[in-house]
Amino acid sequence: GAVVSQHPSWVICKSGTSVKIECRSLDFQATTMFWYRQFPKQSLMLMATSNEGSKATYEQGVEKDKFLINHASLTLSTLTVTSAHPEDSSFYICSASRTSGSTDTQYFGPGTRLTVL
Amino acid sequence: AQKITQTQPGMFVQEKEAVTLDCTYDTSDPSYGLFWYKQPSSGEMIFLIYQGSYDQQNATEGRYSLNFQKARKSANLVISASQLGDSAMYFCAWGKRGSARQLTFGSGTQLTVLP
Repeated sequence: GAVVSQHPSWVICKSGTSVKIECRSLDFQATTMFWYRQFPKQSLMLMATSNEGSKATYEQGVEKDKFLINHASLTLSTLTVTSAHPEDSSFYICSASRTSGSTDTQYFGPGTRLTVL
Repeated sequence: AQKITQTQPGMFVQEKEAVTLDCTYDTSDPSYGLFWYKQPSSGEMIFLIYQGSYDQQNATEGRYSLNFQKARKSANLVISASQLGDSAMYFCAWGKRGSARQLTFGSGTQLTVLP
């Protein structure tokens, strides 16, 4: 159990266009999902916390108007990179939080590699 | 803010040997959890093991065990009988106990298993 999917796995787009990335928890419900960004050979940087039915909470320095997050259901969160530019090229990875007893564990999707030309 | 330190940017281990990956953390919270994740070259983050701050015993999951020393604020990952497929990046993460906690990640350790 605890499978998280992410789509697409990679995307190449032109500068100025918008890209939507989907994150789904396949076998459990997740009221909270997280979006991370990872540059090559670096650790994960939390971008935002996505809560079902409410607005996302963004980390300091993350532009909420550029990275739109929608958590429409207990199994789906989307990240839209608006007006993408080359500096937005990165590996974006989501996670969904699953509670078992008193433990909350984040399970990660396979990631989306975004390249903006 | 919590700080997670992984002092080994790279580690090598011979196949079938055991290896310890270091992780220390800095927190004043009494209630928290520590996680280890594996990230192979494909990029996916794979959950390996969890240790709660109040757990009396060190966590074990198959070949993975966590050497938890609360007073020293360390949570080292021990991989026994290393396999070639264990070659990957390993991240230690800290999260405050509670629902849907945010995680703070260390900088990671690149483990290479040699045949």
